[in-house]
Amino acid sequence: QSALTQPASVSGSPGQSITISCSGTSSDVGSYNLVSWYHHHPGKAPKLMIYEGSKRPSGVSSRFSGSKSGTTASLTISGLQAEDEADYYCCSYAGSTTYVFGTGTKVTVL
Amino acid sequence: QLQLQESGPGLVKPSETLSLTCTVSGGSISSSSYYWGWIRQPPGKELEWIGSIYYSGNTYYNPSLKSRVTISVDTSKNQFSLYLSSVTAADTAVYHCVVLVTAIVSFDYWGQGTLVTVSS
Repeated sequence: QSALTQPASVSGSPGQSITISCSGTSSDVGSYNLVSWYHHHPGKAPKLMIYEGSKRPSGVSSRFSGSKSGTTASLTISGLQAEDEADYYCCSYAGSTTYVFGTGTKVTVL
Repeated sequence: QLQLQESGPGLVKPSETLSLTCTVSGGSISSSSYYWGWIRQPPGKELEWIGSIYYSGNTYYNPSLKSRVTISVDTSKNQFSLYLSSVTAADTAVYHCVVLVTAIVSFDYWGQGTLVTVSS
C-alpha cells in the first residue's frame, strides 16, 4: 500500500484556477469512486473538502470541485483566494476497509 | 456535531508502547454510522492512515503497521484507544483521532492532534 502521488507544490494568483492531481493504482483510485480531499493548515485539524470523488460537504465552497480519470483523481480550485493557501491531501479507499493518503500538495497563492 | 479530543503521553521511549485515547462527545461510540480511527503525520511527511474500529468491534489496520497496532473501544466511557508497540523514532508524529462517516466513506471529523515524540 504505497502513498498516492501528488505534486509537492502548486501555485496561482488570486482569481486563477489550479488543479492538483492524485495518482494511484488499479488497487485504489482506479477501482473505487471513493477519493476524498482534505485541506490542512499545519497545527489544525484537516477539513474534508470533497468526498466520493466529486461531492462537496455542506458548507464547502462551490469553488472546489473533484474529478477522476482512470487511476488519477484531481481537485480543482477556481477563483483562488488567499484563504485557500494550505496543504491539500487526497485519500482513497483501497479495499478491505483500508485507506491510503496522498503525498500532499502545498498550495501557494501568489 | 461530533467532537474528538486526544489524550496521552507526549513522550515515549524507544521499544515501549505508545498509548493514546480519544474521547468522543456529541454522539455515541456505539453508533453504526461511524468508524472510529487514527491517522498520523510524522514531521514534514504526509498523513498516514493507521487503522479503524467499528462499533461491532471489527478492526482494520494499515498493513504496514498491522503487527504493532491495536485499536479498542470503551463504550462505557465513549472513548477509543490506540496502542502502538515497539516504537522507534520513526513513530514520532502528530496523531489525530478521526471519524469515518460510513455514508460518505470519508473522514469528516478530526481531533486537533497530539504530538508524540519517541526518544530516550
